Order: sequence, then structure tokens, then C-alpha cells
Amino acid sequence: KNQVEQSPQSLIILEGKNCTLQCNYTVSPFSNLRWYKQDTGRGPVSLTIMTFSENTKSNGRYTATLDADTKQSSLHITASQLSDSASYICVVSPDSWGKFQFGAGTQVVVTP
Amino acid sequence: DTGVSQDPRHKITKRGQNVTFRCDPISEHNRLYWYRQTLGQGPEFLTYFQNEAQLEKSRLLSDRFSAERPKGSFSTLEIQRTEQGDSAMYLCASRLGQEAPDGELFFGEGSRLTVL
Repeated sequence: KNQVEQSPQSLIILEGKNCTLQCNYTVSPFSNLRWYKQDTGRGPVSLTIMTFSENTKSNGRYTATLDADTKQSSLHITASQLSDSASYICVVSPDSWGKFQFGAGTQVVVTP
Repeated sequence: DTGVSQDPRHKITKRGQNVTFRCDPISEHNRLYWYRQTLGQGPEFLTYFQNEAQLEKSRLLSDRFSAERPKGSFSTLEIQRTEQGDSAMYLCASRLGQEAPDGELFFGEGSRLTVL
């Protein structure tokens, strides 16, 4: 069973609207949680990195939250743009040497 | 900083042939990772190096797969006797080591393999 579960699997939103993606994890211990954006056919690009002591982190129109007690994270996209169409991947690291656990991603499609 | 570079970006081969992918990490990064990604899935861990030492290999890495990082810089991933199930995107990533446990993991653009 995957230790990092993302929902929804996919979503379609209108340009200019907001959306929130969810990530639940069972990875333990916990070192940090990352969100990546992956355009089709490209490598993932980092959006945010949060340690257990951080509750929220923003990168432009992207805001990630973390609740380490409930082992949940969310990624909020504000005022979506067509260029936000991509897969968003949640990644959890249990330790410092980098055994990263990847979610399957949420495919976001922004329509005009 | 030119980022993580992978070559080739695309490879089409016939079943049974051998293929080799190359990854050039960011120059000061001592940790290098290989992942495999199939459509609609997140990357799956294959193996990782700290400098030239291969520290862990996934069960996904069958005996047909071999990875090297001979001088602690670039790395190669070779797949022998390719099978159709090997068709995937092979991603390389690099980062600084334990000195920066929360440091960013940088990915290359990937090498897409299609086995006919």
C-alpha cells in the first residue's frame, strides 16, 4: 500500500478559480514534505518544502499546509492560470538521507 | 548552474536490445537518485548514490538493470535485454547530502524509453 495517498486523482477547473489538492501520508518517522509540479513529459519541479515544525508555506500562487499530527497536507492554487495545468506530486521523506516516498499525483487541468 | 541533465531524452528500441541512459547532476551535489515513472503514477525509487557509492537498490532493479557512478559525478543506468514492461520515463535527481537534509531535490527532464 502506498504510504502517500493523494486526492483527487484528477480535477478540471476554470481559469481564475481556486482549487485545493490533498495529501495524506502514513510515512513514519517524518522529516519533511514536498510538493512538486510536473508538466507533461518533463521532470518534476519543486514548489514547497516543509518540515514538521512548519504549518504553511507559500510560493507565489501556491500555498501548502501541513498538519503533522493528522499526517495531512494540502496544496492550494489561487487564481489558477492555464500554465497551472500539470500533475502535482506530494513527496514525503522519513529521514535525512533521502528515501523519498512519492504520491501518484493529482492531474490538474485548467480550462479557459 | 545548468541543472540536472539527462541524455537521451527519448529512446525507442526493440525488445531484447540494451540501452544506456546518462545523468549529469548539479556539480556540487553528492547524492544522485534514479527513478522510474509510468503514465499516471508518481516516480518509483530505483537506486541512489552518495558520491561513487551505490547505497541502496530497489527490488524493482532486477539483474537486467545496472547503475554506476564511477567518479562520483555523472551516472549511467543500463538496461540489458529490454522488455516491453521497461517502457517508462527514467528520471534522475540530485541533491546535497546530509549536510542539508531538507535541501531541495532537483530532477532532470527524464529519459523516455519505448520498447517495441
